[in-house]
Amino acid sequence: DIVMTQTPLSLSVTPGQPASISCKSSQSLLHSDGRTYLHWFLQRPGQPPHLLISEVSSRFSGVPDRFTGSGSGTDFTLRISRVEAEDAAIYYCMQGLFFRTFGQGTKVEIK
Amino acid sequence: EVHLVESGGDLVQPGGSLKLSCEASGFTFSQYWMAWVRQSPGTGLECLALINSDGSDKYYPDSMQGRFTISRDNTKNSLYLQMNNLRADDTAVYYCARDVKWGMFDSWGQGTLVTVSS
Repeated sequence: DIVMTQTPLSLSVTPGQPASISCKSSQSLLHSDGRTYLHWFLQRPGQPPHLLISEVSSRFSGVPDRFTGSGSGTDFTLRISRVEAEDAAIYYCMQGLFFRTFGQGTKVEIK
Repeated sequence: EVHLVESGGDLVQPGGSLKLSCEASGFTFSQYWMAWVRQSPGTGLECLALINSDGSDKYYPDSMQGRFTISRDNTKNSLYLQMNNLRADDTAVYYCARDVKWGMFDSWGQGTLVTVSS
């Protein structure tokens, strides 16, 4: 089974400062079609998750450009350029190549 | 606007069964793969099952051990999850999600709570 490992599991960020979350998969997520099926989701307390970034780096509709996804193969990163209060949430990466597997989640707190 | 509404969550005894439903609206349901995802209290997300657009192919993680069955009725714009032999660790919020392609879950329901307890 594919294992998705996120680090850190939590981080506390001052508003206006950057934040970065790493996601590593146990197998390459590069499909033979040339696409890489790694997505990022955000979940605020009491809410369902929602899609943030698809296929490594494509921001979903309405997602601010302070969110950037990058990476390839097995190593991926979600960056928030300048954290805002509304970014307090749990962030999950998920691979879509081998069934669907989520990372453990990273809780972002605002100082 | 895409809308997904889960129902059927309840308190059930260990060993019992439950069938969850997800009613879809705002899009052509029969054109999309769908998924069930659960979230146990205080923990992360786990994808339980996938079904293709016409219901002919279904996928599960090995860990499910055949206890859960996903199905759909495109005439009713509805997705289902039949859960059997429920255990305490199946207690969770169960979400349905639209899978645009390869895990791009672009729409989620609000979830339905399943509690397994005696």
